[in-house]
Amino acid sequence: GDSVTQMEGPVTLSEEAFLTINCTYTATGYPSLFWYVQYPGEGLQLLLKATKADDKGSNKGFEATYRKETTSFHLEKGSVQVSDSAVYFCALEGSGGYNKLIFGAGTRLAVHP
Amino acid sequence: GAVVSQHPSWVICKSGTSVKIECRSLDFQATTMFWYRQFPKQSLMLMATSNEGSKATYEQGVEKDKFLINHASLTLSTLTVTSAHPEDSSFYICSAPSWDGEETQYFGPGTRLLVL
Repeated sequence: GDSVTQMEGPVTLSEEAFLTINCTYTATGYPSLFWYVQYPGEGLQLLLKATKADDKGSNKGFEATYRKETTSFHLEKGSVQVSDSAVYFCALEGSGGYNKLIFGAGTRLAVHP
Repeated sequence: GAVVSQHPSWVICKSGTSVKIECRSLDFQATTMFWYRQFPKQSLMLMATSNEGSKATYEQGVEKDKFLINHASLTLSTLTVTSAHPEDSSFYICSAPSWDGEETQYFGPGTRLLVL
């Protein structure tokens, strides 16, 4: 069945460092792919998405490119800030449409000044 | 943006008791809401789809008699964990689909349940 695999955390970085959080997926067809972020004490929020191969989703300095050749959707940011500290979830749209999301385990990011 | 709240944020109960968790959409109506469960360091697993005015749809392997879902109004869905046992201890999260055309869901902050 469909699944998402994320790199294990926590990821600890200094402010202004480069961030990569790996995400790979297994799915039939070409589902939409998402990154959600969960800040402390808050619900998950959509960070970015890509709906087809080679699409690049971007938001708040974060980017991820839908790579069907490598079945990957890695999250990157060139210069992280302390305020980026959160848990990041990679997800794909299951066969039930956007209503049915299949999540990775989440990667905790801690950014220190 | 749209807000979804959950209550309580955490609850501790004795084995054998029932626990009710509320999920509310605060500034929009939601005919559908979703309930997820998250184990430590694991993915969010969709448990069921809550439908206003009709029965909930449960995912395979989820006991519908164990996890009772009621979608009482267009802004409220409840999940009741009946006869809770320690293995039901988990983080429960609800969500509601967006109403503004974005292909996403709005998530509640989650409820942590600990069954002793």
